[in-house]
Amino acid sequence: AQKITQTQPGMFVQEKEAVTLDCTYDTSDPSYGLFWYKQPSSGEMIFLIYQGSYDQQNATEGRYSLNFQKARKSANLVISASQLGDSAMYFCATRVLTGGGNKLTFGTGTQLKVEL
Amino acid sequence: EPEVTQTPSHQVTQMGQEVILRCVPISNHLYFYWYRQILGQKVEFLVSFYNNEISEKSEIFDDQFSVERPDGSNFTLKIRSTKLEDSAMYFCASSPAMQEAWYEQYFGPGTRLTVT
Repeated sequence: AQKITQTQPGMFVQEKEAVTLDCTYDTSDPSYGLFWYKQPSSGEMIFLIYQGSYDQQNATEGRYSLNFQKARKSANLVISASQLGDSAMYFCATRVLTGGGNKLTFGTGTQLKVEL
Repeated sequence: EPEVTQTPSHQVTQMGQEVILRCVPISNHLYFYWYRQILGQKVEFLVSFYNNEISEKSEIFDDQFSVERPDGSNFTLKIRSTKLEDSAMYFCASSPAMQEAWYEQYFGPGTRLTVT
Protein backbone atom coordinates (compact mmCIF):
# COMPACT_ATOMS: atom_id res chain seq x y z
CA ALA A 1 0.00 0.00 0.00
CA GLN A 2 1.09 3.54 -0.67
CA LYS A 3 1.32 6.20 1.96
CA ILE A 4 1.75 9.93 1.64
CA THR A 5 2.83 12.07 4.59
CA GLN A 6 2.43 15.83 4.74
CA THR A 7 3.75 16.99 8.07
CA GLN A 8 2.78 20.66 7.83
CA PRO A 9 -0.92 21.14 8.58
CA GLY A 10 -0.58 24.90 8.05
CA MET A 11 1.96 27.28 6.55
CA PHE A 12 2.20 31.05 6.30
CA VAL A 13 4.20 32.94 3.68
CA GLN A 14 4.48 36.57 2.77
CA GLU A 15 3.46 37.72 -0.66
CA LYS A 16 6.28 37.48 -3.23
CA GLU A 17 8.27 35.07 -1.08
CA ALA A 18 8.94 31.43 -1.98
CA VAL A 19 7.48 28.59 0.09
CA THR A 20 8.18 24.86 0.25
CA LEU A 21 5.45 22.37 1.10
CA ASP A 22 6.77 19.02 2.29
CA CYS A 23 5.68 15.61 1.06
CA THR A 24 7.17 12.19 1.72
CA TYR A 25 5.87 8.96 0.31
CA ASP A 26 6.20 5.29 0.90
CA THR A 27 5.86 2.80 -1.90
CA SER A 28 7.66 -0.38 -2.87
CA ASP A 29 6.63 -0.11 -6.51
CA PRO A 30 9.49 0.98 -8.81
CA SER A 31 7.19 2.84 -11.19
CA TYR A 32 5.01 5.59 -9.81
CA GLY A 33 3.93 9.15 -10.30
CA LEU A 34 3.77 11.99 -7.82
CA PHE A 35 1.18 14.73 -8.10
CA TRP A 36 0.33 17.98 -6.40
CA TYR A 37 -3.21 19.35 -6.34
CA LYS A 38 -4.50 22.70 -5.10
CA GLN A 39 -7.90 22.96 -3.41
CA PRO A 40 -9.12 26.54 -2.93
CA SER A 41 -11.92 27.33 -0.50
CA SER A 42 -14.43 26.80 -3.32
CA GLY A 43 -13.59 23.09 -3.13
CA GLU A 44 -12.46 22.04 -6.60
CA MET A 45 -9.27 20.02 -7.08
CA ILE A 46 -6.80 21.69 -9.44
CA PHE A 47 -3.87 19.74 -10.84
CA LEU A 48 -0.58 21.61 -10.46
CA ILE A 49 2.39 19.43 -11.31
CA TYR A 50 3.51 15.85 -11.92
CA GLN A 51 6.80 13.97 -11.39
CA GLY A 52 7.47 10.47 -12.68
CA SER A 53 9.67 8.11 -10.71
CA TYR A 54 12.04 7.68 -13.64
CA ASP A 55 12.25 11.36 -14.54
CA GLN A 56 15.81 12.59 -14.24
CA GLN A 57 14.94 16.24 -13.87
CA ASN A 58 12.71 17.98 -11.37
CA ALA A 59 9.36 18.99 -12.83
CA THR A 60 8.51 22.67 -13.24
CA GLU A 61 5.26 24.38 -14.22
CA GLY A 62 5.42 28.15 -14.13
CA ARG A 63 5.84 29.22 -10.51
CA TYR A 64 5.58 25.62 -9.30
CA SER A 65 8.51 23.25 -9.09
CA LEU A 66 8.84 19.86 -7.54
CA ASN A 67 11.96 19.07 -5.51
CA PHE A 68 12.16 15.31 -6.10
CA GLN A 69 14.62 13.37 -3.96
CA LYS A 70 14.04 9.75 -4.84
CA ALA A 71 16.45 8.21 -2.33
CA ARG A 72 14.75 10.13 0.47
CA LYS A 73 11.29 9.47 -0.98
CA SER A 74 10.38 13.11 -0.87
CA ALA A 75 8.54 15.27 -3.40
CA ASN A 76 8.33 18.78 -1.99
CA LEU A 77 6.41 21.49 -3.82
CA VAL A 78 8.10 24.85 -4.19
CA ILE A 79 5.95 27.87 -5.01
CA SER A 80 7.98 30.89 -6.03
CA ALA A 81 6.82 34.50 -5.80
CA SER A 82 3.71 33.67 -3.75
CA GLN A 83 0.49 35.46 -4.58
CA LEU A 84 -2.61 36.03 -2.47
CA GLY A 85 -4.47 33.68 -4.80
CA ASP A 86 -2.14 30.85 -3.77
CA SER A 87 -3.91 30.66 -0.41
CA ALA A 88 -5.48 27.21 -0.46
CA MET A 89 -5.12 23.62 0.69
CA TYR A 90 -2.40 21.68 -1.12
CA PHE A 91 -2.47 17.91 -1.47
CA CYS A 92 0.36 15.62 -2.48
CA ALA A 93 -0.68 12.34 -4.10
CA THR A 94 0.89 9.26 -5.59
CA ARG A 95 -0.18 6.77 -8.20
CA VAL A 96 1.45 3.42 -8.93
CA LEU A 97 1.04 0.90 -11.74
CA THR A 98 1.11 -2.31 -9.72
CA GLY A 99 -1.45 -4.70 -11.16
CA GLY A 100 -2.87 -2.00 -13.38
CA GLY A 101 -3.85 0.09 -10.36
CA ASN A 102 -4.48 3.72 -11.11
CA LYS A 103 -5.97 5.23 -8.00
CA LEU A 104 -4.50 8.33 -6.45
CA THR A 105 -3.51 8.12 -2.80
CA PHE A 106 -3.57 11.51 -1.11
CA GLY A 107 -1.86 13.01 1.89
CA THR A 108 -3.67 14.97 4.57
CA GLY A 109 -2.83 18.30 2.97
CA THR A 110 -1.17 21.57 3.94
CA GLN A 111 -3.21 24.75 4.36
CA LEU A 112 -1.20 27.62 2.89
CA LYS A 113 -1.99 31.23 3.77
CA VAL A 114 -0.31 34.01 1.83
CA GLU A 115 -0.11 37.28 3.72
CA LEU A 116 0.55 40.85 2.59
CA GLU B 1 -10.94 23.38 -22.50
CA PRO B 2 -12.85 20.15 -21.82
CA GLU B 3 -13.82 19.56 -18.22
CA VAL B 4 -15.52 17.06 -15.96
CA THR B 5 -18.95 18.21 -14.79
CA GLN B 6 -20.96 17.01 -11.81
CA THR B 7 -24.58 17.46 -10.78
CA PRO B 8 -25.97 18.47 -8.42
CA SER B 9 -23.45 20.74 -6.73
CA HIS B 10 -25.16 20.17 -3.39
CA GLN B 11 -27.54 17.39 -2.36
CA VAL B 12 -29.35 17.15 0.95
CA THR B 13 -31.01 13.86 1.81
CA GLN B 14 -32.47 12.07 4.78
CA MET B 15 -30.79 9.09 6.35
CA GLY B 16 -31.88 5.86 4.68
CA GLN B 17 -32.71 7.48 1.34
CA GLU B 18 -31.08 6.58 -1.94
CA VAL B 19 -29.04 9.18 -3.78
CA ILE B 20 -27.54 9.24 -7.24
CA LEU B 21 -24.64 11.53 -7.98
CA ARG B 22 -24.03 12.29 -11.61
CA CYS B 23 -20.89 13.01 -13.56
CA VAL B 24 -20.08 13.71 -17.18
CA PRO B 25 -16.42 12.80 -17.77
CA ILE B 26 -14.30 14.31 -20.52
CA SER B 27 -15.55 12.83 -23.77
CA ASN B 28 -12.50 10.91 -25.01
CA HIS B 29 -11.48 9.62 -21.61
CA LEU B 30 -11.66 5.92 -20.87
CA TYR B 31 -11.18 5.65 -17.10
CA PHE B 32 -13.49 7.04 -14.49
CA TYR B 33 -13.18 7.41 -10.74
CA TRP B 34 -15.06 8.46 -7.65
CA TYR B 35 -13.36 9.93 -4.60
CA ARG B 36 -14.79 11.40 -1.46
CA GLN B 37 -13.59 13.98 1.02
CA ILE B 38 -15.14 14.21 4.46
CA LEU B 39 -15.05 17.82 5.64
CA GLY B 40 -11.57 18.81 6.76
CA GLN B 41 -10.03 15.47 5.83
CA LYS B 42 -8.02 14.08 2.93
CA VAL B 43 -9.40 12.91 -0.38
CA GLU B 44 -10.07 9.14 -0.39
CA PHE B 45 -10.39 6.81 -3.37
CA LEU B 46 -13.68 4.96 -3.73
CA VAL B 47 -13.74 3.20 -7.08
CA SER B 48 -12.32 3.14 -10.59
CA PHE B 49 -14.22 2.04 -13.67
CA TYR B 50 -13.09 0.97 -17.11
CA ASN B 51 -14.71 -0.81 -20.01
CA ASN B 52 -18.06 -0.92 -18.22
CA GLU B 53 -16.80 -2.61 -15.13
CA ILE B 54 -15.17 -1.80 -11.82
CA SER B 55 -11.39 -2.12 -12.07
CA GLU B 56 -10.58 -1.33 -8.45
CA LYS B 57 -12.46 -0.38 -5.31
CA SER B 58 -11.55 0.59 -1.78
CA GLU B 59 -12.84 -0.86 1.48
CA ILE B 60 -15.14 2.18 1.74
CA PHE B 61 -16.99 1.06 -1.40
CA ASP B 62 -19.23 -1.54 0.19
CA ASP B 63 -22.53 -3.04 -0.97
CA GLN B 64 -24.31 0.25 -0.36
CA PHE B 65 -22.42 1.81 -3.25
CA SER B 66 -22.70 1.13 -6.94
CA VAL B 67 -21.51 2.80 -10.12
CA GLU B 68 -22.91 2.77 -13.60
CA ARG B 69 -22.30 4.23 -17.02
CA PRO B 70 -25.89 4.24 -18.26
CA ASP B 71 -25.10 5.85 -21.61
CA GLY B 72 -22.12 7.13 -23.55
CA SER B 73 -21.63 10.25 -21.47
CA ASN B 74 -22.82 9.88 -17.87
CA PHE B 75 -21.12 8.14 -14.98
CA THR B 76 -23.13 7.75 -11.78
CA LEU B 77 -22.52 6.87 -8.16
CA LYS B 78 -25.47 5.46 -6.25
CA ILE B 79 -25.69 5.17 -2.50
CA ARG B 80 -28.55 2.84 -1.68
CA SER B 81 -29.33 3.75 1.90
CA THR B 82 -27.47 6.80 3.07
CA LYS B 83 -25.95 7.10 6.52
CA LEU B 84 -24.88 10.20 8.41
CA GLU B 85 -21.25 9.27 7.82
CA ASP B 86 -21.77 9.42 4.05
CA SER B 87 -21.88 13.20 4.33
CA ALA B 88 -18.90 14.38 2.29
CA MET B 89 -17.79 16.01 -0.92
CA TYR B 90 -17.83 13.47 -3.74
CA PHE B 91 -15.47 14.04 -6.64
CA CYS B 92 -15.68 12.41 -10.03
CA ALA B 93 -12.51 12.20 -12.09
CA SER B 94 -11.53 10.87 -15.48
CA SER B 95 -8.30 10.09 -17.29
CA PRO B 96 -7.40 9.16 -20.86
CA ALA B 97 -5.12 6.19 -20.14
CA MET B 98 -4.34 3.84 -17.31
CA GLN B 99 -0.88 2.55 -18.15
CA GLU B 100 0.74 5.96 -18.45
CA ALA B 101 1.55 6.94 -14.89
CA TRP B 102 2.00 10.56 -15.72
CA TYR B 103 -1.54 11.07 -16.94
CA GLU B 104 -3.29 13.27 -14.45
CA GLN B 105 -6.80 12.60 -13.37
CA TYR B 106 -9.09 15.49 -14.21
CA PHE B 107 -11.40 16.24 -11.32
CA GLY B 108 -14.91 17.61 -11.44
CA PRO B 109 -16.03 20.41 -9.11
CA GLY B 110 -17.58 17.96 -6.65
CA THR B 111 -21.02 17.27 -5.20
CA ARG B 112 -21.47 18.10 -1.54
CA LEU B 113 -23.72 15.45 -0.01
CA THR B 114 -25.36 16.24 3.32
CA VAL B 115 -27.22 13.44 5.09
CA THR B 116 -29.56 14.55 7.86
